[in-house]
Amino acid sequence: GENVEQHPSTLSVQEGDSAVIKCTYSDSASNYFPWYKQELGKGPQLIIDIRSNVGEKKDQRIAVTLNKTAKHFSLHITETQPEDSAVYFCAATLYGNNRLAFGKGNQVVVIP
Amino acid sequence: EAGVAQSPRYKIIEKRQSVAFWCNPISGHATLYWYQQILGQGPKLLIQFQNNGVVDDSQLPKDRFSAERLKGVDSTLKIQPAKLEDSAVYLCASSVGPSGDTQYFGPGTRLTVL
Repeated sequence: GENVEQHPSTLSVQEGDSAVIKCTYSDSASNYFPWYKQELGKGPQLIIDIRSNVGEKKDQRIAVTLNKTAKHFSLHITETQPEDSAVYFCAATLYGNNRLAFGKGNQVVVIP
Repeated sequence: EAGVAQSPRYKIIEKRQSVAFWCNPISGHATLYWYQQILGQGPKLLIQFQNNGVVDDSQLPKDRFSAERLKGVDSTLKIQPAKLEDSAVYLCASSVGPSGDTQYFGPGTRLTVL
């Protein structure tokens, strides 16, 4: 089955700086890659996703890039704010198959 | 629009006891999922329902876990008997359909087995 790894496990950034989280996946058939944000005491919330027919997708301060050859994808958060502090999970699956394989998560801490 | 509702939010039991969790998905969502999230890990799918039928339960420990969605709306996940390693957050999610639709998660139930 699909195996997803995330790096680094914890990331601290100064407010206003950028944060980048990278994930690698093992199954070259995977073609759908969502990112979820989980705040303390809450369930994960989808923040952005990308399919393998595009290399990059942006939504305001958040962007995701995908490198199919290397089998990795990254989340980029620009102009970080304290409310960006949370655990971020990447996931991968074959589009149409809703069994998401999640990574272990990255704790992002934005220092005011 | 109301989100996915789960209850209880917290539960503490002794090992070998039984426990049940309840989930009410977003109105109109045909697909419902139960995930187990162990501390420090990502969610792992336990079971997926499409209306009142099971689509995928390959990762459900069927000797102790059971789930039902009798009328195709709300769902119950049961553990009997519980083990120490069942301590985790149990997340319920729902989506409009089974293929490629965004999954919306509830707040979860934190289970502690002593």
